[in-house]
Amino acid sequence: GENVEQHPSTLSVQEGDSAVIKCTYSDSASNYFPWYKQELGKRPQLIIDIRSNVGEKKDQRIAVTLNKTAKHFSLHITETQPEDSAVYFCAATHTGTASKLTFGTGTRLQVTL
Amino acid sequence: KAGVTQTPRYLIKTRGQQVTLSCSPISGHRSVSWYQQTPGQGLQFLFEYFSETQRNKGNFPGRFSGRQFSNSRSEMNVSTLELGDSALYLCASSSAQPGTEAFFGQGTRLTVV
Repeated sequence: GENVEQHPSTLSVQEGDSAVIKCTYSDSASNYFPWYKQELGKRPQLIIDIRSNVGEKKDQRIAVTLNKTAKHFSLHITETQPEDSAVYFCAATHTGTASKLTFGTGTRLQVTL
Repeated sequence: KAGVTQTPRYLIKTRGQQVTLSCSPISGHRSVSWYQQTPGQGLQFLFEYFSETQRNKGNFPGRFSGRQFSNSRSEMNVSTLELGDSALYLCASSSAQPGTEAFFGQGTRLTVV
């Protein structure tokens, strides 16, 4: 089955700096890659997703890149703010099992003032 | 539009007991997936129901089971509880279209003592 590895497990940046979180997946059939943000005590919420027919997607300060050949995808957050502090999870699935998300182990992002 | 609702929010059970958790998906969503979240294992897929049928299943023992009703509401049951079953159980609902966003509920925090 699919296996998703995520790095780093913790990341501390200063406010205004950029943060990058990287994930690799094993199943070449995977074609949908969402990123979720989970604040302490709250539910995971989708912040951005990308499909395998696209190499990059941006939404304001957040961007995701996908390299299908290398089977890795990354989350980029620019101009970080304290409210970006949370745990971020990458996930992968393919449309045949679209509701079965395989998650990475999470990255705890701390944005310091 | 109401979000995904899980009940109860918190549960304390004794080893050997059984427990039933409930999930009401977003109106119109026919897919409900269940995940177990623990600090050590992260988010792990339990199973998915679509139109009252189990469509996908993760690698959990048979003590974990579920069902879905005609109104798409889903229940998850865990029998013969073990200490290791203590976790946050999250359900997610999504539409029938593959590769679409999964919306998570706030979860049920199960503690087994």
